[in-house]
Amino acid sequence: KAGVTQTPRYLIKTRGQQVTLSCSPISGHRSVSWYQQTPGQGLQFLFEYFSETQRNKGNFPGRFSGRQFSNSRSEMNVSTLELGDSALYLCASSLGLTATNEKLFFGSGTQLSVL
Amino acid sequence: GESVGLHLPTLSVQEGDNSIINCAYSNSASDYFIWYKQESGKGPQFIIDIRSNMDKRQGQRVTVLLNKTVKHLSLQIAATQPGDSAVYFCAENMVSYNTDNLIFGTGTRLQVFP
Repeated sequence: KAGVTQTPRYLIKTRGQQVTLSCSPISGHRSVSWYQQTPGQGLQFLFEYFSETQRNKGNFPGRFSGRQFSNSRSEMNVSTLELGDSALYLCASSLGLTATNEKLFFGSGTQLSVL
Repeated sequence: GESVGLHLPTLSVQEGDNSIINCAYSNSASDYFIWYKQESGKGPQFIIDIRSNMDKRQGQRVTVLLNKTVKHLSLQIAATQPGDSAVYFCAENMVSYNTDNLIFGTGTRLQVFP
């Protein structure tokens, strides 16, 4: 069974631009969560989607948004990029909601650099 | 706010020795805990989990211990191998009135030397 797939693997943008990252979960998994990883802040929860609906949201500004499609694939978007948005963005999928204590399986991430 | 884990320390062990990685969590209401391993250039990889109704769980070469009294979690790796070199994160499933998500610790770097 294929794992969680994230594209692109690397991305370079400039301040003020927007970016869209893509995530394909493990087949059969219905929940997709997004995390931001930086050396200073570690792994920070962004949001979780289940059945095309956002179910949980972390403490990030509204510039960070996401969506989930009927096939459970998910995208996250960051608008008006700032230098501090440079990070590894990780997607994780699970069979059910995190609230049900499901294991998260992570992709390799998208490394975003904002110049 | 809530926090899990220690500031990123480094644990150096000799190949073949046992490793113990520790983690402190702050939310006494958390009922599910996971250990992840992250190698350079990769996403976190699930190692082992434990629910709050247990105090010990064993996997292949790994054991997780949960002490709810002092809110402490540990990961024991037996016969540590060079391939075990990575950053290890503990995570708790934090349930609050407005969110339910995994909170990760800052991680511990494990270095295995021959």
